[in-house]
Amino acid sequence: GENVEQHPSTLSVQEGDSAVIKCTYSDSASNYFPWYKQELGKRPQLIIDIRSNVGEKKDQRIAVTLNKTAKHFSLHITETQPEDSAVYFCAASSGNQFYFGTGTSLTVIP
Amino acid sequence: DAGITQSPRHKVTETGTPVTLRCHQTENHRYMYWYRQDPGHGLRLIHYSYGVKDTDKGEVSDGYSVSRSKTEDFLLTLESATSSQTSVYFCAISETGLAKNIQYFGAGTRLSVL
Repeated sequence: GENVEQHPSTLSVQEGDSAVIKCTYSDSASNYFPWYKQELGKRPQLIIDIRSNVGEKKDQRIAVTLNKTAKHFSLHITETQPEDSAVYFCAASSGNQFYFGTGTSLTVIP
Repeated sequence: DAGITQSPRHKVTETGTPVTLRCHQTENHRYMYWYRQDPGHGLRLIHYSYGVKDTDKGEVSDGYSVSRSKTEDFLLTLESATSSQTSVYFCAISETGLAKNIQYFGAGTRLSVL
């Protein structure tokens, strides 16, 4: 099956700085890569996603890049704010099943 | 939030007892999933369903069974709960398993097996 690795496991940044979270996957058949944000005690919520026919996607302060050859994708958050503090999960899917990374706990220091 | 309701939200039970968790959706989505979330492991798929009476195993299915008799309900059963099944359980739904496959999660059920 698919194996998704996510780094780093924890990340602290100063407010206004950028944050980057990286994931790698093993199955070349994976073609859909969502990112979820989970605040403490809450459900995971989709913040951005990318499909394998696209190399980059941006939504305001959040962007995701995908390198299919190297089998890695990354989440970029610019101009971080305290409300960005949460756990972020990447995932990979080739159809019915989703495989998640182990999460990155992001802390934005005011 | 998508129309997904999990019940109960919290449960404490004893080792060896059966437990059933319920996921109810009002979105008429075809796919439904059960995950468990544990520190250091992220979200791991237990079972999923792609239609009424159609289910398949995920990566951590041992000790769990599921049933889907109606589009809107997906039940997860622990036949004989063990302490290793203490976890937070999330249900998710998606419209299709293919091109769209955006997943929406329920609020979660926190299960403690003593």
